[in-house]
Amino acid sequence: GQQLNQSPQSMFIQEGEDVSMNCTSSSIFNTWLWYKQDPGEGPVLLIALYKAGELTSNGRLTAQFGITRKDSFLNISASIPSDVGIYFCAGRPRGSQGNLIFGKGTKLSVKP
Amino acid sequence: EAQVTQNPRYLITVTGKKLTVTCSQNMNHEYMSWYRQDPGLGLRQIYYSMNVEVTDKGDVPEGYKVSRKEKRNFPLILESPSPNQTSLYFCASSPLVAGNTGELFFGEGSRLTVL
Repeated sequence: GQQLNQSPQSMFIQEGEDVSMNCTSSSIFNTWLWYKQDPGEGPVLLIALYKAGELTSNGRLTAQFGITRKDSFLNISASIPSDVGIYFCAGRPRGSQGNLIFGKGTKLSVKP
Repeated sequence: EAQVTQNPRYLITVTGKKLTVTCSQNMNHEYMSWYRQDPGLGLRQIYYSMNVEVTDKGDVPEGYKVSRKEKRNFPLILESPSPNQTSLYFCASSPLVAGNTGELFFGEGSRLTVL
């Protein structure tokens, strides 16, 4: 089946640093979603993107729907310890009504 | 409060002993889905349902069954669990908008260990 390549797999950063992660696909997607999973919890939606080029912010988080429609980026500015968790990208391929495809996740660790 | 509720949250069982993980959502969502999460493999879809009485296989359906007799419930059945089904399981639901799934809402997860 289709796959999303999410990178990096893990990040160890200092509190206050900015973070960038991305997802790429080999085919065109018409929806990109970014989720965060706290330890012991289910993923929670952070940002949803529906148009190529769209740039959306949610507090210190900013995500973009790539112009080619084959990628998306998530940036976190001025990281804090509670940003720790696993971040997943998810996308719906063009022409697909149903299922989202998930990246394998980026595990973020923040050193105080 | 809008939510997806899974039970049990934790279960240790033995090989071959049938078990059911329940999932219920109170948001009147048409679409429901089960995922398993394993280290390094991310979220893999087991089964999904676009509406009542409509179910379909995801990427890793072997060893699992589901049913969708009511809109709110989507139980996951392991008829004869094996150790390779030890995993963290998530149920999720979504409204359908113009036939397309929207944003997925996840349950809190069910950690299953098969000895």
